[in-house]
Amino acid sequence: GQNIDQPTEMTATEGAIVQINCTYQTSGFNGLFWYQQHAGEAPTFLSYNVLDGLEEKGRFSSFLSRSKGYSYLLLKELQMKDSASYLCAVREWGSNDYKLSFGAGTTVTVRA
Amino acid sequence: GAVVSQHPSRVICKSGTSVKIECRSLDFQATTMFWYRQFPKQSLMLMATSNEGSKATYEQGVEKDKFLINHASLTLSTLTVTSAHPEDSSFYICSARDLGAGLHSTEAFFGQGTRLTVV
Repeated sequence: GQNIDQPTEMTATEGAIVQINCTYQTSGFNGLFWYQQHAGEAPTFLSYNVLDGLEEKGRFSSFLSRSKGYSYLLLKELQMKDSASYLCAVREWGSNDYKLSFGAGTTVTVRA
Repeated sequence: GAVVSQHPSRVICKSGTSVKIECRSLDFQATTMFWYRQFPKQSLMLMATSNEGSKATYEQGVEKDKFLINHASLTLSTLTVTSAHPEDSSFYICSARDLGAGLHSTEAFFGQGTRLTVV
């Protein structure tokens, strides 16, 4: 099983940086994903980490420490359109296939 | 990039009726599709894993007779909510794994989601 924890809400100012933490407990870990989800829409893929370290993709970066069961998503130069829910998801082996388990999501509000 | 199309985007049905939701991979083949349910302000909960040509694998607590899944081809999976009740009202989302990217593909491509309201 898994236990994925992330903060419920965060607020930041336009142009600032926000870091969303995610901790997890799982067996058969096979990667950690971050998704962005706007209200009423499906999630869109942001980043993927399977090895320890930092992955950078433009304004978004994601970090993973497998030994600590910890990841963070870093959003730089925040824009109003970044206001959304950010989901941390862990891939692990299920009964007969890999599956994704999602955290509850962190709602980020960007203010002018 | 790969596209998953889900239809309908919104549906309102009467209590006791059945509703079918389609999930199609438009430009890739998907041996595996996943069905999720998301209640307001909550995360995605995996309901079942849909495998082409075989029976779906349901997560614990999900009634297989109520949520019928058919994955008849490499590009289409359907979820039928049978005898729907108001408590089944939710956001249903499918995702698909690109067969060409292999088992360790790094992205799960999501459909647009279906907002089901049972009245």
